[in-house]
Amino acid sequence: EVQLVQSGAEMKRPGTTVTISCSISGHTSGDYYIHWVQQAPGKGLEWVGLLDPEDGATIYAEKFQDRVTISVDSSTNTAYMEMSSLKSDDTAVYYCATGDQGDYGLARWGQGTRVTVSS
Amino acid sequence: QSVLTQPPSASGTLGQRVTISCSGSIVGGTFIYWYQQLPGRAPKLLIYRNDQRPSGVPDRFSGSTSGTSASLAISGLRSEDEAEYYCAGWHHSLSGQEVFGGGTKLTVL
Repeated sequence: EVQLVQSGAEMKRPGTTVTISCSISGHTSGDYYIHWVQQAPGKGLEWVGLLDPEDGATIYAEKFQDRVTISVDSSTNTAYMEMSSLKSDDTAVYYCATGDQGDYGLARWGQGTRVTVSS
Repeated sequence: QSVLTQPPSASGTLGQRVTISCSGSIVGGTFIYWYQQLPGRAPKLLIYRNDQRPSGVPDRFSGSTSGTSASLAISGLRSEDEAEYYCAGWHHSLSGQEVFGGGTKLTVL
C-alpha cells in the first residue's frame, strides 16, 4: 500500500524560505509522478508542480515557477518542496500526492502540511 | 477566471441523484479527474480518465464527458457524500500544467 507522510506544520516570517518533506513508501521505483498542491484557507486546490523521480524532470505552475523547487532524495524516498520569498498569501495547507507515470491523476495524497506566514 | 468552471454549490436529498458539472475548453482534449474532499481531510481521487473508478470507490459515483463539459454523478445520495468536489485536468497548452476547477460544495439535505 502506498503511503505519503508529510512533515509538520511550519510558521514562517515573510521573505523567508520553507521546506516541506513527503516520505513516500510502497511505490515501485520510478513508476510515478510526485505532485504538490496548495490550498489556502477556505479556498480551492491549486497545483504547484510535479517531479518525475525517474529522471528528475520538473514542471511548475507559472504562478510558482520562480519561487518553488521540487526535489526528491531517492535514497530515502522523500520528496521536498521548497518555497522561497514567502508572503502572507502563501499561508495554506500544502499536499504532496503521487500519480502513475503517463497519467495526470493524483491518486494518493499526503495528510497535508500547514504553513503560516506572518510577521 | 478558472480554466475549468464548476458551480460553487449543489444540493440533494438522501437517496437522490445529483450531478456536478465541469466545463472548459480543455475538456475533450484531456482526461478529466474528480476529487472528493471531506471537511478537514486531504482530497481523494474519485474518478480518473473521465469515467474510471479507482478500486474502493462505490459505483454510486460515475463520471462522463461530452464536448467541453464533464459531469460527476452521485446516485443514492448519502449524508457522508457531503463534501467539496473538484474536477481537474492537464492543460497541455500552458507549457503543461494541472488545473483544478474551483470546487463545488455538495450539501445533503
